[in-house]
Amino acid sequence: GAVVSQHPSWVICKSGTSVKIECRSLDFQATTMFWYRQFPKQSLMLMATSNEGSKATYEQGVEKDKFLINHASLTLSTLTVTSAHPEDSSFYICSARDLGTGRWEKLFFGSGTQLSVL
Amino acid sequence: QKEVEQNSGPLSVPEGAIASLNCTYSDRGSQSFFWYRQYSGKSPELIMFIYSNGDKEDGRFTAQLNKASQYVSLLIRDSQPSDSATYLCASRSNDYKLSFGAGTTVTVRA
Repeated sequence: GAVVSQHPSWVICKSGTSVKIECRSLDFQATTMFWYRQFPKQSLMLMATSNEGSKATYEQGVEKDKFLINHASLTLSTLTVTSAHPEDSSFYICSARDLGTGRWEKLFFGSGTQLSVL
Repeated sequence: QKEVEQNSGPLSVPEGAIASLNCTYSDRGSQSFFWYRQYSGKSPELIMFIYSNGDKEDGRFTAQLNKASQYVSLLIRDSQPSDSATYLCASRSNDYKLSFGAGTTVTVRA
């Protein structure tokens, strides 16, 4: 079954508002979570790596002040899109690794959040 | 140069046929390679991963890795209409970051 819960599944917001997306690991502790973004008919692009108890590391070209990441516990990471604009409309997906025996290579994905900014 | 490149699609195969997907990667330090299936509007689901040279079989799926050629492939035998999806190839670096290819869309014709 699903081991990474992400919500909301979809959100529509007005330009200039902020949107928070949550990602929870349900049956394992995730010291590291990854946030991806996917535009229509394109592949997943890594935005940032979320580290529990420390600052996230962002990929080149991703604005850290616009995409705020908080990883306050071993099971929860949040991504906040601040002052969202239409060009931020995309499919956002979180993922996490389970370091438990036998599953260390598997990266589990959340169900994704479709963000539409009007 | 993209880190992971996949053969351009879309790929259309008749039901029962073999679908062949190819992927090349540029980072020789990549540790493992993954094939994900993604349905429209959904998040990727792992089909299989491979980290040793050679073939790895799981049911109707066979992954093949050739590190010397920096090449990984996926064969889908006895293709079914439910296999119609976009298939993503990904490579993993030492820090567990995944780099994804652009994906190949497969359509299985009934």
